[in-house]
Amino acid sequence: NAGVTQTPKFRILKIGQSMTLQCTQDMNHNYMYWYRQDPGMGLKLIYYSVGAGITDKGEVPNGYNVSRSTTEDFPLRLELAAPSQTSVYFCASSYPELAGKYEQYFGPGTRLTVT
Amino acid sequence: AQSVAQPEDQVNVAEGNPLTVKCTYSVSGNPYLFWYVQYPNRGLQFLLKYITGDNLVKGSYGFEAEFNKSQTSFHLKKPSALVSDSALYFCAVRLMEYGNKLVFGAGTILRVKS
Repeated sequence: NAGVTQTPKFRILKIGQSMTLQCTQDMNHNYMYWYRQDPGMGLKLIYYSVGAGITDKGEVPNGYNVSRSTTEDFPLRLELAAPSQTSVYFCASSYPELAGKYEQYFGPGTRLTVT
Repeated sequence: AQSVAQPEDQVNVAEGNPLTVKCTYSVSGNPYLFWYVQYPNRGLQFLLKYITGDNLVKGSYGFEAEFNKSQTSFHLKKPSALVSDSALYFCAVRLMEYGNKLVFGAGTILRVKS
């Protein structure tokens, strides 16, 4: 299993540009998440999904959008990039509650700089 | 508010010595607690978890953690540190909302010197 994969690894955007961060998992996990990590702080939840076709906002959703058309893929869309979105973005996935496994599995991250 | 605190920004320890990385939590109900490790330019790797049962849980790479309900703590430990243990460590608690999201502490840098 490749686990959770993310592309690209690095990206520099100009203010006002848009982009999509890709996330794919091959573990057949129902739950998927997008977090951002800012220096000196823990991870903050942007959006999450409990299954294909179902998404919902996390703590810091403004400026982002997501979709979940398949179990495997959970892309994160940035519209009108702003310097405040400079961060490292992590995608994660986990089993549903009833599976008895509670840990999340993380991708390698995308480092985004908006200038 | 439900939260996790890691009171030390950095922990320094000599190779071969025992290490402890501290974590305290504030949640309602029974906590599901986790430790993750992050190496430079890498994603977070799961180390261990406490869900229920024995207060001492063992995880990957020789790490263990002790759950203490009365002190609301979940400290990470290892009997003998290795230089390769040097990394950023995160404590996290799972919430029953937002799709069972994890709430993370700010992280503790562990530096093991030879």
